[in-house]
Amino acid sequence: EAGVAQSPRYKIIEKRQSVAFWCNPISGHATLYWYQQILGQGPKLLIQFQNNGVVDDSQLPKDRFSAERLKGVDSTLKIQPAKLEDSAVYLCASSLATWGEQYFGPGTRLTVT
Amino acid sequence: DAKTTQPPSMDCAEGRAANLPCNHSTISGNEYVYWYRQIHSQGPQYIIHGLKNNETNEMASLIITEDRKSSTLILPHATLRDTAVYYCIVNSGYSTLTFGKGTMLLVSP
Repeated sequence: EAGVAQSPRYKIIEKRQSVAFWCNPISGHATLYWYQQILGQGPKLLIQFQNNGVVDDSQLPKDRFSAERLKGVDSTLKIQPAKLEDSAVYLCASSLATWGEQYFGPGTRLTVT
Repeated sequence: DAKTTQPPSMDCAEGRAANLPCNHSTISGNEYVYWYRQIHSQGPQYIIHGLKNNETNEMASLIITEDRKSSTLILPHATLRDTAVYYCIVNSGYSTLTFGKGTMLLVSP
């Protein structure tokens, strides 16, 4: 069974630029999550989708971050404009339903200079 | 979700059992104890979860105290590949995961 795929794996941008990350969840998984992990900390949930609807985006900085999950499969997370404090690893995860174990992708390491 | 407390770091010799403790004194009756681990430069990986009874799978065993206020994750024969950050999370199963800083387990030869 293929795991959660993410791209790119690494990205370096200057502050005020925009960036987008892509995630392909495990086939058949209805729930998709985006997490932000700052160095030395545990992952923090940014947004949770159930199929193509948003379940929880309470911790998403909506003035600069946006996410979509068209057709309930792939998802993209965008940052515009980026700030220095956005430097982190962005993790995508999926699960069969809104409960139970989550399966994580390898993450995208973003560096904002 | 209830808060958990874990030691920041632990050491273990290769081949020995690694016992990782977790305190969750405010756990509610409907909340599970989940364990994930994160190997360097990888995403977190689910290990095991339990409600009241002890659980075992191919990766680890989970021992939950009778009052459910603490638990221990046991890796019976630790290998170098088990070096990782281990996260203990209390969750009803229907809410989002809240990760703390976890325990950095270093397995040495």
